[in-house]
Amino acid sequence: GAVVSQHPSWVICKSGTSVKIECRSLDFQATTMFWYRQFPKQSLMLMATSNEGSKATYEQGVEKDKFLINHASLTLSTLTVTSAHPEDSSFYICSAGAGRGINTGELFFGEGSRLTVL
Amino acid sequence: GNSVTQMEGPVTLSEEAFLTINCTYTATGYPSLFWYVQYPGEGLQLLLKATKADDKGSNKGFEATYRKETTSFHLEKGSVQVSDSAVYFCALSDQGNAGKSTFGDGTTLTVKP
Repeated sequence: GAVVSQHPSWVICKSGTSVKIECRSLDFQATTMFWYRQFPKQSLMLMATSNEGSKATYEQGVEKDKFLINHASLTLSTLTVTSAHPEDSSFYICSAGAGRGINTGELFFGEGSRLTVL
Repeated sequence: GNSVTQMEGPVTLSEEAFLTINCTYTATGYPSLFWYVQYPGEGLQLLLKATKADDKGSNKGFEATYRKETTSFHLEKGSVQVSDSAVYFCALSDQGNAGKSTFGDGTTLTVKP
């Protein structure tokens, strides 16, 4: 149990287009989801915290108009990279906290989505 | 604020060698502590956890003990395998903060046959 799935796992797009990445909790309700960005051989950079039914909380330095986050249901959060540019190329990872494990802060991670902007 | 400091890598070991990856933390309150592992091209997955002082988390031969007096949570394995090659992240979470975690920078482990 406690599976989080991301889609797509790999996406290549042209500069100026928008790309949507989905994060789903498959067997539990995720009241809170987190979006991270990871550069090669570097740690996770928390981008934002999304709570079901409310606006996402963005970390300092993350452009909310650039990285649109929607958490419309307890099993789905989406990250849309708008007007993508080559510098947005990265590995994006989501994680979810839920009733299961939330008292300990345990996170369940998606497989990650690699975005390449040409 | 909270912070996690991990031993810098990369770490290269021969198969069956002993592994230690150091992790120390600073936090207000009483956090839960975690080790996550990331295999190449994948997301992170929980390796082990400890929720209170003196707890020992263990999984797949890996162990880590929550040491409040030294604010440490060092990861150990007695005999590593090639399949253990991955990036290891130490993390902490305030138990009242709905899962928002603070991560260390990650330590890359390569195990050679």
